[in-house]
Amino acid sequence: DAGVTQSPTHLIKTRGQQVTLRCSPKSGHDTVSWYQQALGQGPQFIFQYYEEEERQRGNFPDRFSGHQFPNYSSELNVNALLLGDSALYLCASSWTGQGVNYGYTFGSGTRLTVV
Amino acid sequence: GNSVTQMEGPVTLSEEAFLTINCTYTATGYPSLFWYVQYPGEGLQLLLKATKADDKGSNKGFEATYRKETTSFHLEKGSVQVSDSAVYFCALTVYNFNKFYFGSGTKLNVKP
Repeated sequence: DAGVTQSPTHLIKTRGQQVTLRCSPKSGHDTVSWYQQALGQGPQFIFQYYEEEERQRGNFPDRFSGHQFPNYSSELNVNALLLGDSALYLCASSWTGQGVNYGYTFGSGTRLTVV
Repeated sequence: GNSVTQMEGPVTLSEEAFLTINCTYTATGYPSLFWYVQYPGEGLQLLLKATKADDKGSNKGFEATYRKETTSFHLEKGSVQVSDSAVYFCALTVYNFNKFYFGSGTKLNVKP
């Protein structure tokens, strides 16, 4: 049973560029959350998608946007990249039952370096 | 608000030593508490959890007890191994588990 799959594993971008990161949830999961983990820090919640809509958002600027597809996979887009966006981006999937998340599972992440 | 504070690392121990990593929290409502482990170059793996006061989570020799009176969830292991070397994160979630609040992590180095 495949877990949470993220692609690419590593990425190098230039300041001002745009980037798209991808996440395929664990089988049976319908909810995807994204986190940013700066070097030496704990992960910080960016947003969560359920039923193709953003259900909750953390304290991140509008440069960070996302999408969820009918097959539950998700994309994270970051526009106008800054050096400070360099981080490990983690995707987590879960399934939602009566508004509660179950089975939260993290992927291995995408390492984004902005130069 | 919701936040987690962990002891700063790195923590360096010899194999078979006793491990304690301190974690305290503030939360609105009644949180569930977690310890995650991150090995080099990998994502987060759930180590253990506790969902209500006085619960003890345990896994692979690690234990942590949810102490509401001291708002703490300290991680302990009686005898660490070199393979336990990793970064450990304490985390909480409230209400419907929609999002997690993580501490800044504690790096553990175990020497043979």
